[in-house]
Amino acid sequence: EDKVVQSPLSLVVHEGDTVTLNCSYEVTNFRSLLWYKQEKKAPTFLFMLTSSGIEKKSGRLSSILDKKELFSILNITATQTGDSAVYLCAVDGTGAGSYQLTFGKGTKLSVIP
Amino acid sequence: DAGVIQSPRHEVTEMGQEVTLRCKPISGHDYLFWYRQTMMRGLELLIYFNNNVPIDDSGMPEDRFSAKMPNASFSTLKIQPSEPRDSAVYFCASRRGAQETQYFGPGTRLLVL
Repeated sequence: EDKVVQSPLSLVVHEGDTVTLNCSYEVTNFRSLLWYKQEKKAPTFLFMLTSSGIEKKSGRLSSILDKKELFSILNITATQTGDSAVYLCAVDGTGAGSYQLTFGKGTKLSVIP
Repeated sequence: DAGVIQSPRHEVTEMGQEVTLRCKPISGHDYLFWYRQTMMRGLELLIYFNNNVPIDDSGMPEDRFSAKMPNASFSTLKIQPSEPRDSAVYFCASRRGAQETQYFGPGTRLLVL
């Protein structure tokens, strides 16, 4: 059974801090790893990672994948209160012909002024 | 594009009643997913369809749950009879086959009393 573990489960930081969120996985036939941000509504897509060592960047957010050690990190620099959300990691590990994601439980980030 | 549309947004019902949740995927997307999200279990895949055909329903909790997709633009998730433990947020998501990004609807928050 595919498994995705995120850490920490929750995190409280002050505005301006830098945070690193972790995601480790055990899947068969890895295809991709995705990061989502969930505020009080539906998850919204952040990044999709398929290759090791290639950083994806969007503004203050960046992410990288290590397929050898089976993990990914999501970095947020100069955090703002608007970054407060649950960050979900998901892995598509079921191989060709099947398109389903296994989600971690998420990391709840709270950014205080 | 309107994105994934779900209705109702909120549903409060009494134990034993039938509940029907509705979803309209993004036009042109050939995969549709139903998820359930709770604090305890996180985001869980219930069932997914490809070209209107159910592919994997192994996540459906029990026979009280059923899902249909009569055409490419509409799907329903039905719970009959509902129980208090079914209380959760139910998300519908869609994606275009070869792309691994799923787009989520706003969710239906279900409360069974």
